[in-house]
Amino acid sequence: KAGVTQTPRYLIKTRGQQVTLSCSPISGHRSVSWYQQTPGQGLQFLFEYFSETQRNKGNFPGRFSGRQFSNSRSEMNVSTLELGDSALYLCASSKQGDLFSPLHFGNGTRLTVT
Amino acid sequence: AQSVTQPDIHITVSEGASLELRCNYSYGATPYLFWYVQSPGQGLQLLLKYFSGDTLVQGIKGFEAEFKRSQSSFNLRKPSVHWSDAAEYFCAVGKNYGGSQGNLIFGKGTKLSVKP
Repeated sequence: KAGVTQTPRYLIKTRGQQVTLSCSPISGHRSVSWYQQTPGQGLQFLFEYFSETQRNKGNFPGRFSGRQFSNSRSEMNVSTLELGDSALYLCASSKQGDLFSPLHFGNGTRLTVT
Repeated sequence: AQSVTQPDIHITVSEGASLELRCNYSYGATPYLFWYVQSPGQGLQLLLKYFSGDTLVQGIKGFEAEFKRSQSSFNLRKPSVHWSDAAEYFCAVGKNYGGSQGNLIFGKGTKLSVKP
């Protein structure tokens, strides 16, 4: 069974641009969550989607958005990039999206903003 | 507000020695607690979780953790460390109502180095 796949693996963007990251969950998983990981702030929850609906959202500005498609694949978008958006963005999927469904993480997309 | 504190940023142990990584949480109700491990260039892997019941939980790779409500702690232990255990370890807490594992609060992590 394929794991959580995140593309691209690495990305370099310029300040002010926008970026879209993609996440393909494990087959059969309906919940997808996104986390931002930086050395200073650690792992911070961005948002969670379940069956195409955003169920939870973290404390990030509106420049950060996401969506989930009917096949459970998810994308997150960051507009008007800032230097501080440089981070590892992790996607995780789970079967039922509840506390009893283990989270499976992808290897992340490393975003560098210059 | 919920929070997780991992007091040790970096720990070095000798191969074969025992290990204890500390985790303290702040949460008003019964917490749902997790330990994850992240190897360089990889995502996170669940080591173990505590929801209720026996306060000593066993996980993968020979790890265990003990929930102590009186101390608001959930420390991770391993009796004998292997070089392959070198990684970063994260403690996390999840809401226990209407919550999901997709909305976890993580500690800042403890980086484990293993000396040969």
